[in-house]
Amino acid sequence: RKEVEQDPGPFNVPEGATVAFNCTYSNSASQSFFWYRQDCRKEPKLLMSVYSSGNEDGRFTAQLNRASQYISLLIRDSKLSDSATYLCVVRYSGAGSYQLTFGKGTKLSVIP
Amino acid sequence: DAGVIQSPRHEVTEMGQEVTLRCKPISGHNSLFWYRQTMMRGLELLIYFNNNVPIDDSGMPEDRFSAKMPNASFSTLKIQPSEPRDSAVYFCASSSGTGYTFGSGTRLTVV
Repeated sequence: RKEVEQDPGPFNVPEGATVAFNCTYSNSASQSFFWYRQDCRKEPKLLMSVYSSGNEDGRFTAQLNRASQYISLLIRDSKLSDSATYLCVVRYSGAGSYQLTFGKGTKLSVIP
Repeated sequence: DAGVIQSPRHEVTEMGQEVTLRCKPISGHNSLFWYRQTMMRGLELLIYFNNNVPIDDSGMPEDRFSAKMPNASFSTLKIQPSEPRDSAVYFCASSSGTGYTFGSGTRLTVV
């Protein structure tokens, strides 16, 4: 079973729409959670961390449900520039362990 | 800050040839990671170093792959001999313990 699972999409939404991505993880020892963004033929870049209480950064809202091992990302008022692949990422606890495990990503296309 | 620097950006080689990918992490970052990305498998961790010491190489696919970090500012990933199924984008990332910063990647094509 893959450790981090995401709907691959693609999600095709009109400008101004609200879109939500979901992610589940299998290892209950997961400690930290992130959303990364990857543009076509570019490297992944950190979009935002995900905190237990939920957090917001402008049009982006991230939620974490530890009991269900579920993470979400909500994008409001979608812009054309939001078109990218969104990667759900978890970090497991462990001595000296800083490695991140990535989902395969959800592709978003925002259409004019 | 120049970020994580990888070279070459693109590499096309023939099956059986040796390939060496290079990475310069961000100064002060004590962890370095090599990932491989393909459409089928997404981003896979190959190996990571902490303070120049390999910590986990369980993701290295087979003996044809090897990685070194001789000092805090340089790492290599070598494939010998290369095979067409090694074609992928190879990313290096460095970290000081919180978030990662990725390099621009090396797009490897083995024909």
